[in-house]
Amino acid sequence: AQSVAQPEDQVNVAEGNPLTVKCTYSVSGNPYLFWYVQYPNRGLQFLLKYITGDNLVKGSYGFEAEFNKSQTSFHLKKPSALVSDSALYFCAGWGGSQGNLIFGKGTKLSVKP
Amino acid sequence: DVKVTQSSRYLVKRTGEKVFLECVQDMDHENMFWYRQDPGLGLRLIYFSYDVKMKEKGDIPEGYSVSREKKERFSLILESASTNQTSMYLCASSQTPRYRIRGQYFGPGTRLTVT
Repeated sequence: AQSVAQPEDQVNVAEGNPLTVKCTYSVSGNPYLFWYVQYPNRGLQFLLKYITGDNLVKGSYGFEAEFNKSQTSFHLKKPSALVSDSALYFCAGWGGSQGNLIFGKGTKLSVKP
Repeated sequence: DVKVTQSSRYLVKRTGEKVFLECVQDMDHENMFWYRQDPGLGLRLIYFSYDVKMKEKGDIPEGYSVSREKKERFSLILESASTNQTSMYLCASSQTPRYRIRGQYFGPGTRLTVT
């Protein structure tokens, strides 16, 4: 069965420090991978995606993600965290054949001043 | 910019009531989706539609139905609301045939409480 896993329920980071939110996937075929962010009482907003090409993908708000095929991972990163980055982050993936987009359970990012 | 709107941000209903959640998108997208979001469970797909009057069951369709009479509008119906349907409901839309490549656009969500 296809799946997307976010192993951490919560990540705590001090403002100015680098942050990483982890995601691993298990999909058939070539993966299409996405990161979304959800601020309190809001819908999901698209951050970035990997379809093909460069393994380092740059997205909105200074975020980037690194696709690693051998580790089946797609971790979200930012060099310097801001308090305003505090939100719920969802990784999603699709295996390129049948089925729908599969979402991870979400990781709550908390950035403290 | 794509805009997906949902009819209510907050809704409180009584057990047994029939509940309608409306979603409208303004970008002529073929695909529309209804998810529910619960803490620790992430997003779970209830139903989706890839064309007018077409619908497909998602992962958790029990207790729900949908209607898509117009391309821009996708309604989620709770025939007889129950307390275990208290949740955040998210609507999304996307283009086809490359919708999964471009991702989905989400509405702001409706937080439904059934008492």
